[in-house]
Amino acid sequence: QKEVEQNSGPLSVPEGAIASLNCTYSDRVSQSFFWYRQYSGKSPELIMSIYSNGDKEDGRFTAQLNKASQYVSLLIRDSQPSDSATYLCAAMGANTGNQFYFGTGTSLTVIP
Amino acid sequence: DAEITQSPRHKITETGRQVTLACHQTWNHNNMFWYRQDLGHGLRLIHYSYGVHDTNKGEVSDGYSVSRSNTEDLPLTLESAASSQTSVYFCASSERVNSYEQYFGPGTRLTVT
Repeated sequence: QKEVEQNSGPLSVPEGAIASLNCTYSDRVSQSFFWYRQYSGKSPELIMSIYSNGDKEDGRFTAQLNKASQYVSLLIRDSQPSDSATYLCAAMGANTGNQFYFGTGTSLTVIP
Repeated sequence: DAEITQSPRHKITETGRQVTLACHQTWNHNNMFWYRQDLGHGLRLIHYSYGVHDTNKGEVSDGYSVSRSNTEDLPLTLESAASSQTSVYFCASSERVNSYEQYFGPGTRLTVT
């Protein structure tokens, strides 16, 4: 199993809907997780980090961490066409200092 | 404003040539990282540094080297460029403590012909 795994999608949602992006992880990562957004041809941009079990909200974004099931999710409420991008899940390695492991990303398209 | 920059943004080189990609950050971050991004592989770590004169190999370090002579810069050198090194390269940085969040530069698109 890879350290971090994501469904590559593509995921399509209508404008105004909730987009749900999921990521599973292995025992080789620590309990620090990060969501990045990457527009085509651009660099990854940090959206949120989450370190504790449960939910963390920031505007239209909610990150959810479930340690028992080893998954982390990102919910985007009231999705907008400008949210169309690839979303990358990242986790810090368990015994590798500050190194990150990245998933391959999920492509999201918000349909107007 | 503090930032992280990379240069050049685009580079075309020939097989066998030595190439150096620059990364400069003004956040005074101790940690700096180099990744490559390829379709189907996502972001893969090449080399990283936790401070001046510290360098470490990542998952895909063969054919690459880095050196850290100051806090702000971590140049990435391709010793003898190969077609397999055609990719988009991203530099990132983070603080050592309090926050592990990594912030990325704009990237360098490298083509090896």
